[in-house]
Amino acid sequence: DTGVSQNPRHKITKRGQNVTFRCDPISEHNRLYWYRQTLGQGPEFLTYFQNEAQLEKSRLLSDRFSAERPKGSFSTLEIQRTEQGDSAMYLCASSSTRGRGGTEAFFGQGTRLTVV
Amino acid sequence: DAKTTQPNSMESNEEEPVHLPCNHSTISGTDYIHWYRQLPSQGPEYVIHGLTSNVNNRMASLAIAEDRKSSTLILHRATLRDAAVYYCMFHKGYQKVTFGIGTKLQVIP
Repeated sequence: DTGVSQNPRHKITKRGQNVTFRCDPISEHNRLYWYRQTLGQGPEFLTYFQNEAQLEKSRLLSDRFSAERPKGSFSTLEIQRTEQGDSAMYLCASSSTRGRGGTEAFFGQGTRLTVV
Repeated sequence: DAKTTQPNSMESNEEEPVHLPCNHSTISGTDYIHWYRQLPSQGPEYVIHGLTSNVNNRMASLAIAEDRKSSTLILHRATLRDAAVYYCMFHKGYQKVTFGIGTKLQVIP
């Protein structure tokens, strides 16, 4: 257990439905990341927050995707009008920028989304 | 995005040392080298990071070339639990973690 919690662990949804995932980071971490991973590939960066500010969004993050981190604590990732191509593992990670030179990111177990 | 080159796969016998190479020729002087690994059905796990000097921790050692254009992750005695995909990357401390394809390590009993 890394201390980063993601819910749900698995989600099956019908194409066209909306889904929302939640990530609870390590409490003292100010940075939170979302990644997407498909089979056989490394995790692809989607977006990250520093405190409540969303600092960067990948081009992979289409208009159907939105992420929030109210109050700089937990975060949610919503996918609207899901498509079969959205089927993947969605990973959340958190880290602290207070350490010098690059501190480790702690990853959750991920949410596996299957769009049918 | 920062680009690294790693072999797609490697094999090791159990209880033998494993040297996992990584090339990062475009690294700049203030970039840190990080290694993560991902066990099957789990999220990535931090292994080690360093800047210029070789680094050791309870999981592994990191040997960094003098010109910093390459590094090697060393597992001193591979166990079956070390079978995973190992990712090498470099970035400045304030930048995001970016993954490549990684090296799939198979440990043979």
